[in-house]
Amino acid sequence: DGGITQSPKYLFRKEGQNVTLSCEQNLNHDAMYWYRQDPGQGLRLIYYSQIVNDFQKGDIAEGYSVSREKKESFPLTVTSAQKNPTAFYLCASSIAGTETTQPQHFGDGTRLSIL
Amino acid sequence: KQEVTQIPAALSVPEGENLVLNCSFTDSAIYNLQWFRQDPGKGLTSLLLIQSSQREQTSGRLNASLDKSSGRSTLYIAASQPGDSATYLCAVAGNQFYFGTGTSLTVIP
Repeated sequence: DGGITQSPKYLFRKEGQNVTLSCEQNLNHDAMYWYRQDPGQGLRLIYYSQIVNDFQKGDIAEGYSVSREKKESFPLTVTSAQKNPTAFYLCASSIAGTETTQPQHFGDGTRLSIL
Repeated sequence: KQEVTQIPAALSVPEGENLVLNCSFTDSAIYNLQWFRQDPGKGLTSLLLIQSSQREQTSGRLNASLDKSSGRSTLYIAASQPGDSATYLCAVAGNQFYFGTGTSLTVIP
């Protein structure tokens, strides 16, 4: 079945530690996105990529980094510079950018907590 | 910057009732509008996508309308069921996707 796989489902970070969240899709989509979801707030865009080896910052990119070395993979690193990383992280993909005629597909999310 | 608002934040209805969820946005220059469903602790599932040139889309018991000029969309759910209980989010597509904060729906058996 085609879809988006995020791992791990739960992740704990210690002070000063970088952690990496995995996102893999087998939908052959060009565009991939990382969002952060906090209680009572809508999804906020961290980074997005419309093509391999290219990505752009979203509204809340500080303290995060990404790479897009393969079409199907878009990992997100939460660095120690992100002082409030506790949140639900969602990865999404779409066949094209925002002008797409097809919906975004989402993974099941990774919940990150501070130890 | 685009701002997306969903009202009400929470809604509780008895089973079988028809209901309307609202979504408003500040910038009418959008490519499309999408409605999603989110179950607790899960990702988003796409329900309907309306292109900017369209007025509405239907899927089963769901009907979504779009009025770009007034910056509004509604999601109509007919004959609600307990399985419809979830959070419903709308998102508009401009230079990026902008999401509302969602409406938490509870359908009481």
